[in-house]
Amino acid sequence: NAGVTQTPKFRVLKTGQSMTLLCAQDMNHEYMYWYRQDPGMGLRLIHYSVGEGTTAKGEVPDGYNVSRLKKQNFLLGLESAAPSQTSVYFCASRDGTSVNEQFFGPGTRLTVL
Amino acid sequence: AQRVTQPEKLLSVFKGAPVELKCNYSYSGSPELFWYVQYSRQRLQLLLRHISRESIKGFTADLNKGETSFHLKKPFAQEEDSAMYYCALRTGGGNKLTFGTGTQLKVEL
Repeated sequence: NAGVTQTPKFRVLKTGQSMTLLCAQDMNHEYMYWYRQDPGMGLRLIHYSVGEGTTAKGEVPDGYNVSRLKKQNFLLGLESAAPSQTSVYFCASRDGTSVNEQFFGPGTRLTVL
Repeated sequence: AQRVTQPEKLLSVFKGAPVELKCNYSYSGSPELFWYVQYSRQRLQLLLRHISRESIKGFTADLNKGETSFHLKKPFAQEEDSAMYYCALRTGGGNKLTFGTGTQLKVEL
């Protein structure tokens, strides 16, 4: 099992460009999450999904969109990138049991110039 | 609103010394708390959760509802404990986690 994978690992964008980050999990998990990690601010939830075809806003959703067309994939889109979106992005997933452990991907380092 | 506070950005201890990483929370419901750890060049992973009342890698954490705290402790620090530690609180629908800002633990020889 690969667990949670993220594509790409690194990316540099210019202000105004768009891109999509892909998260994939092979554990048949129901829940998936996108976080951003910034120095001194910890991890903050951007969007999440409780199942295929569903999405919901997290703590910092502005400037991002997401889609969960397939259960194993959770896409994070930036329509018009801004320097404030320079961050490390983490995807996570968990199953529907009461154990409540989230499994994290390796992260994507995004720089917006 | 829910909040998790980790007051120390950096905690430096000597090998063999006791470690205590502080975590305080604010939540109106019944709290469910976790510690996650991120070792250098590794992904974030669960260390322990209060429900299990377990000891992992020598670390323990007790939920104190009166003081709204969930401090992480280890009696004797090891070099391999050096990492970033995040305290997290399960909040609301979707089983979301609210994370603290993290504490970088550095164990010196």
